[in-house]
This record gives sequence, structure tokens and C-alpha cells, in this order.
Amino acid sequence: GAVVSQHPSRVICKSGTSVKIECRSLDFQATTMFWYRQFPKKSLMLMATSNEGSKATYEQGVEKDKFLINHASLTLSTLTVTSAHPEDSSFYICSARGVAGVSYNEQFFGPGTRLTVL
Amino acid sequence: AQSVSQHNHHVILSEAASLELGCNYSYGGTVNLFWYVQYPGQHLQLLLKYFSGDPLVKGIKGFEAEFIKSKFSFNLRKPSVQWSDTAEYFCAVNPHDYKLSFGAGTTVTVRA
Repeated sequence: GAVVSQHPSRVICKSGTSVKIECRSLDFQATTMFWYRQFPKKSLMLMATSNEGSKATYEQGVEKDKFLINHASLTLSTLTVTSAHPEDSSFYICSARGVAGVSYNEQFFGPGTRLTVL
Repeated sequence: AQSVSQHNHHVILSEAASLELGCNYSYGGTVNLFWYVQYPGQHLQLLLKYFSGDPLVKGIKGFEAEFIKSKFSFNLRKPSVQWSDTAEYFCAVNPHDYKLSFGAGTTVTVRA
């Protein structure tokens, strides 16, 4: 149980285009999802907290207009990198926290999406 | 602001050696503690977690960790490592707001 998927696993795009990454909780409902960014040989940096039915909460220094987050249902959150540039190339990871009764204090991580902006 | 410190950046050891990775956090309130592992090319996997109760926690793959509240520490241990334990290990902490703060990670290389 508690499986989180991400799609796509890899994406290559041209500079200036937008890319959408999906994060799904497959076998549980997630009221809260988190988006992280991981640079090579570095730790995970929390970008934003996504709450179902409300606006995402962004961490300091993360541009909300550049990284659009939508959490339209209890099983799906999307991250859209708008007008992507090479410096946005990174590994993006989502996690989901279950509703009460499904390891409420634990986050379940997706496999990540490797974004390369040319 | 809370922080999580992992003392070792890179640990190299031989198979069958014992492993201990240090983790300290700065948050003073009640916290939940986690150790995650990331094998090369794979996603984060939970090794073990501590929420409350017995401070010695046993996880998967023979790993264990001990929570010492007075030292704000949650060190990870494995008595005898295998080549397949080569990976990146992350300590993480979250307080009541459920945001996870990760340590910088420790790269463990096990030589056959």
C-alpha cells in the first residue's frame, strides 16, 4: 500500500516551454502533497506544500508564478514549470501524506521526474 | 529554524564492517524522525521511523536507529554491511506541521 507515482519519469524540453509533472497517490487519498527539488549529490529541498482544494504554500525563495501547483483531487497534484530555463533542470520529487488512519505522520515518496531543459 | 545535521558526507567501508551514521536535529519540540535510503538511480525509500515509544527502532534490511532525546540525535546503525548497501542515506525530521526537513545526506560506499 501507500504507493505514489509520478509522470513522466524523464522529460527533455526546450528553453521557454512549460512542462507539467503529475503526482498521484495510487491506493490512498492524500489531502497534502509535497514537492521537492533535488540537485545532484544534494539533499531534497522542499519547494511547496500542496493541499487539496486550496492554494499551495510555497517555501521562501520559490517563485510561485514559475512553479504552478494544482491539487485538484485527493489523488492528484500537478507541478507545472512555466517558461523553463536550463537552470530549472533538476530532479523533482513529490510525496503524499495520507488522511487519518493511513500513516498520517508519514510521507510516501514518488520515484521522481528528471527534467532537462535545453 | 530547525535544521538537520548529518555528520558524515561520505563513508567508505568494506563488506561485513559495521556502519553508524550520525544525525542531529535542532528542533526543541516533539518531532518525528526518519531515515531514508536512495539507491543509485532509484527513488527514496523509508528505512525506518520513530514517532514515539521504544527509542531503539528497527527498520528494513537490518538497519536500526536510536533516538536519544537528550542529545537530539537519531543515529543509524547496521552491524554488518553488504555491497548492496551502497547508497545515499538521508535523515529527516518533521514537527507538528508535517514538513520534512532533510539532512544533507551521507554517501555510503561499500567495497566488496
